[in-house]
Amino acid sequence: DSGVTQTPKHLITATGQRVTLRCSPRSGDLSVYWYQQSLDQGLQFLIHYYNGEERAKGNILERFSAQQFPDLHSELNLSSLELGDSALYFCASSVDPSGGEFTYNEQFFGPGTRLTVL
Amino acid sequence: AQSVTQLDSHVSVSEGTPVLLRCNYSSSYSPSLFWYVQHPNKGLQLLLKYTSAATLVKGINGFEAEFKKSETSFHLTKPSAHMSDAAEYFCVALKPGNTPLVFGKGTRLSVIA
Repeated sequence: DSGVTQTPKHLITATGQRVTLRCSPRSGDLSVYWYQQSLDQGLQFLIHYYNGEERAKGNILERFSAQQFPDLHSELNLSSLELGDSALYFCASSVDPSGGEFTYNEQFFGPGTRLTVL
Repeated sequence: AQSVTQLDSHVSVSEGTPVLLRCNYSSSYSPSLFWYVQHPNKGLQLLLKYTSAATLVKGINGFEAEFKKSETSFHLTKPSAHMSDAAEYFCVALKPGNTPLVFGKGTRLSVIA
């Protein structure tokens, strides 16, 4: 158990709908990262938040958005869903994204939310 | 830009035989490198990491990896495979400064009894 929780575990919805995925980071972790894992694209970084502020964006569609709340939990909002959005969505957390050039803060992954769009 | 290439999409070994999962990286600098494992219906777990210290890195469950700058490789090995090692393995790179992780496509390891 990594200490990162994600809800729900599974989500089945229809095209055109909107869903919200939730992530609670490990206690003390300020950074939250969202990743998408699909058969076509593999694992891809979507977005990174640090202490409530957006830090970096990856291959995130305009239909997707995220935020990190004062209690540090994060939500990923997916709207106007398409069949191709079906994937496993992971959240990861780390203590601090910054540091020296040779500093790495391990990212701990949650169990993921499996989204199926029908 | 950096990229990570996992040379095999699927590796099958017999229980008790050695495991070799190959990974090459492409970068203009030496990134931090990691191997993560994903068991079916589970999240990703860090196996080991290389962050410019010792080039031979030991991880959990008997896995180790060697960073070879001249070959831009970071292959994952284990002397003796166990049935519980069957999973998807990802080679991952991280640029200094903690930009997001860059994942390889993954290698599925099957272990045959």
